[in-house]
Amino acid sequence: GNSVTQMEGPVTLSEEAFLTINCTYTATGYPSLFWYVQYPGEGLQLLLKATKADDKGSNKGFEATYRKETTSFHLEKGSVQVSDSAVYFCALKINAGGTSYGKLTFGQGTILTVHP
Amino acid sequence: DAGVTQSPTHLIKTRGQQVTLRCSPKSGHDTVSWYQQALGQGPQFIFQYYEEEERQRGNFPDRFSGHQFPNYSSELNVNALLLGDSALYLCASSFGAGFLSPLHFGNGTRLTVT
Repeated sequence: GNSVTQMEGPVTLSEEAFLTINCTYTATGYPSLFWYVQYPGEGLQLLLKATKADDKGSNKGFEATYRKETTSFHLEKGSVQVSDSAVYFCALKINAGGTSYGKLTFGQGTILTVHP
Repeated sequence: DAGVTQSPTHLIKTRGQQVTLRCSPKSGHDTVSWYQQALGQGPQFIFQYYEEEERQRGNFPDRFSGHQFPNYSSELNVNALLLGDSALYLCASSFGAGFLSPLHFGNGTRLTVT
C-alpha cells in the first residue's frame, strides 16, 4: 500500500537555525508529493508540492526536492522564524489514471517549535 | 471570498449517539473530501463526494456515511459513536475530483465522544 513516514518530533530550534524535517514514502503508483502546515486551531494549508522526480517545490523560504531514488521529500529552510512554529505534514497523492480521485495519504506530522 | 467552512466548531456527544457534521466548500469548488485526524496523528481519508456521489472511500466502517447536496455542500454522519471516534474532522474541497485538483481545507470540527 501507500504510506508516508516522517521524522519523529517534536523539533525545537532557535530563531535563524537551519531546519530539516525528513520524509520518506512508499507508493504503488506514481505519486505527487506535498508538504502541508497546520497552525494551532487551524486547518491544513498547502506549503509546497512536487509532481515528478527531481522537481523542487518551494514557498516562503521552505524547499523540498522529490528524490525518486531514495523515495524521499525532505523539507528544509535555511533560517526559521518564530512564526514557523506549527505542525508539518508530508503527504502523497497517487495518479492512478481515471480512478484517482485525489485522496491524500499523510504522514503522522512533525511538531516544530521555534524559540526567539 | 469565503474558504471552506465547517460547522459546528466543537461538539460533545455520548457513546452510541449519532452526529452530523457540515461543510460548505470554497466558492467555485464542486468536490468535497472528509478526513479524520486523531490527536497527534496525520489526517486519514474517509471519503470523497463529487457530483453528489461517493467516489472513493478509505478504510472506515459503514457507521461513517455522507451526502453531497446540489449546492456542493456536504454532510458527514457517524452512527453509534465510539470513544475512538473522538478526533478533528477536516473537510477539504477542490474543483474537480481528479488527481491534479489542489485541496483546500477547512478548520475542522472537534468531536469529543464521552
